[in-house]
Amino acid sequence: KQEVTQIPAALSVPEGENLVLNCSFTDSAIYNLQWFRQDPGKGLTSLLLIQSSQREQTSGRLNASLDKSSGRSTLYIAASQPGDSATYLCAVRGSNDYKLSFGAGTTVTVRA
Amino acid sequence: EAQVTQNPRYLITVTGKKLTVTCSQNMNHEYMSWYRQDPGLGLRQIYYSMNVEVTDKGDVPEGYKVSRKEKRNFPLILESPSPNQTSLYFCASASGGIGYEQYFGPGTRLTVT
Repeated sequence: KQEVTQIPAALSVPEGENLVLNCSFTDSAIYNLQWFRQDPGKGLTSLLLIQSSQREQTSGRLNASLDKSSGRSTLYIAASQPGDSATYLCAVRGSNDYKLSFGAGTTVTVRA
Repeated sequence: EAQVTQNPRYLITVTGKKLTVTCSQNMNHEYMSWYRQDPGLGLRQIYYSMNVEVTDKGDVPEGYKVSRKEKRNFPLILESPSPNQTSLYFCASASGGIGYEQYFGPGTRLTVT
């Protein structure tokens, strides 16, 4: 069974600092990995999707890398802003059964 | 507007009273899925469907049923709800044509007393 871990569980940084969020998974037989943002009491918003054959994806201030062989992905958020405060979740889709397994998330607070 | 809709958004019910949470998407996606989110346990997949009339169990299917008779709809049925099914439920859809990037509905907060 795929296990997805996100460390740290919570992170507080001053505005302007770069954010580094980690996601690790136990089974490297993945179809893709997706990063989401969730605001309190709200649904999930897709940030980046990385296919298993890709090493990274970029969108604006966000960059996500994937190292399938070591079971790791990292989400970088450059020049953080208070509006980046949210919980960030990574999810891994299996290549055999298309199940989606989520990490518990990293809750980010960006202090003004 | 491309979206996934869920109804109801909030529901309080009693143990044993059958209920259905509807999910509908207007993006012609093949893949649809249900999740529950609980504090400390994160998001867990209940059931998913790769296409019409094709459904599979996720990690926590016990106590739930689903059906996929039309491409756009994927209702979640609780035949006899119990308090341990109190949770926040999310429906999502995805298309294989775009690498199964998932789009989530707004969530349904269910309380079973």
